[in-house]
Amino acid sequence: GAVVSQHPSWVICKSGTSVKIECRSLDFQATTMFWYRQFPKQSLMLMATSNEGSKATYEQGVEKDKFLINHASLTLSTLTVTSAHPEDSSFYICSARDSRTSEAFFGQGTRLTVV
Amino acid sequence: AQRVTQPEKLLSVFKGAPVELKCNYSYSGSPELFWYVQYSRQRLQLLLRHISRESIKGFTADLNKGETSFHLKKPFAQEEDSAMYYCALKRNTGGFKTIFGAGTRLFVKA
Repeated sequence: GAVVSQHPSWVICKSGTSVKIECRSLDFQATTMFWYRQFPKQSLMLMATSNEGSKATYEQGVEKDKFLINHASLTLSTLTVTSAHPEDSSFYICSARDSRTSEAFFGQGTRLTVV
Repeated sequence: AQRVTQPEKLLSVFKGAPVELKCNYSYSGSPELFWYVQYSRQRLQLLLRHISRESIKGFTADLNKGETSFHLKKPFAQEEDSAMYYCALKRNTGGFKTIFGAGTRLFVKA
C-alpha cells in the first residue's frame, strides 16, 4: 500500500530555534498534503493544507509565519516551526492525498519537544 | 460550519459483545465520511469510508443523512479491536479538507 514517511519521528530542540519536519509520499504523487497537530489525548487538528507549487492554506488561528510550509514537489512537503517555544511541543502528523485516487494516507507523526 | 462529534471518549465492552461507536456530523454540503483507526504505537489508518459500503474487520458504518450520523458498528467485539477510532468528514469542495472528531478509545475486555 501507499506509504507516507515523516522525518524525524521525534525531535528535541531549544527554545528559539527552528525545526523542519519532512513529509514524503514514497510511491505516489500528492498534489495536496495536510498538516495536523495532535495534543495529548485530543483529536487531530488541521493546521494547513499544502498544495504543490503554491502557497499553503492555513486554518483559522494558525500563524503562517510561525509554521512555514513548503510543498516544492509532488512527493515532499515540509513544515518548519520557527522560533519554537515550549507551547509548540506537540505531535505533528502529515497526510498526503494520492493525486490519482484521492485517498489520503498518514505519516507516522513527529513528536516535537521544545525545552 | 462543519463539525464532527464523537460523544464518547471511552467505550469499554466485553469480548463478544456488540459495539457501536457514535459519530454525528454537521455539514451543509454532501460530505464524505470516514472512520480511521489508530492501534497502539501505530499510525492512523483508514478503516472504512461510507461510499464504499464495505465491511472491514467486521465493522460497518451506515451514513444516515436524516440523523446526520455515521455510527461504527461491529456485532462481536474482539480484543484486537482495542484502539482509538476517529470519525472524519471530508469536504468535497474548497480544498478537500478532512476534519476529525475527538476520537473514541475502544477497550475490549477479555
